[in-house]
Amino acid sequence: AQTVTQSQPEMSVQEAETVTLSCTYDTSESNYYLFWYKQPPSRQMILVIRQEAYKQQNATENRFSVNFQKAAKSFSLKISDSQLGDTAMYFCAFMNPLGRLYFGRGTQLTVWP
Amino acid sequence: DAGVTQSPTHLIKTRGQQVTLRCSPKSGHDTVSWYQQALGQGPQFIFQYYEEEERQRGNFPDRFSGHQFPNYSSELNVNALLLGDSALYLCASSRDRNYEQYFGPGTRLTVT
Repeated sequence: AQTVTQSQPEMSVQEAETVTLSCTYDTSESNYYLFWYKQPPSRQMILVIRQEAYKQQNATENRFSVNFQKAAKSFSLKISDSQLGDTAMYFCAFMNPLGRLYFGRGTQLTVWP
Repeated sequence: DAGVTQSPTHLIKTRGQQVTLRCSPKSGHDTVSWYQQALGQGPQFIFQYYEEEERQRGNFPDRFSGHQFPNYSSELNVNALLLGDSALYLCASSRDRNYEQYFGPGTRLTVT
């Protein structure tokens, strides 16, 4: 069975600073995808970034980047130059080869002025 | 280009009743997945539909059933509602199984 663990229930960061959210997962699969989703108070789940397990290069999307350590089964999200609009619940998710998503419990990120 | 849409936005039902939730996928997507998100939790996978067939299913009882139509839209049906079925129900669509899933705004179901 696949499990996703986010050990930080809450985090806060000052505007313009950098913050890193942690995620670990457990799987016996060799081919899979990893995602970070953002869920603001509106409850709309928004895709932030994705990483293919077969790629060694870490994914980057503007201010968002990941640190993917396949052997350690670790997948952290770094947000640079944090903005007030980044305030949201962040979910780490694992997708198996059949396309099923497994989510962590989430990390509530608050960006303060 | 319309994203994933869901209806209704909110719903209040009584224990024992039945409910149907609807989802229209993003243009160009043919796979629809349904998730249940209880308050304070991450979404839990219910099932996935592709080519009008249920392709895989999570750990949910048979009270939860679904359907996919030829235009790729989908319905989630829940029979004999329990208080514990109160949650946000999310629909996600993708271009087949190995692509990122895009979520709709969800349907908030309250069972009293």
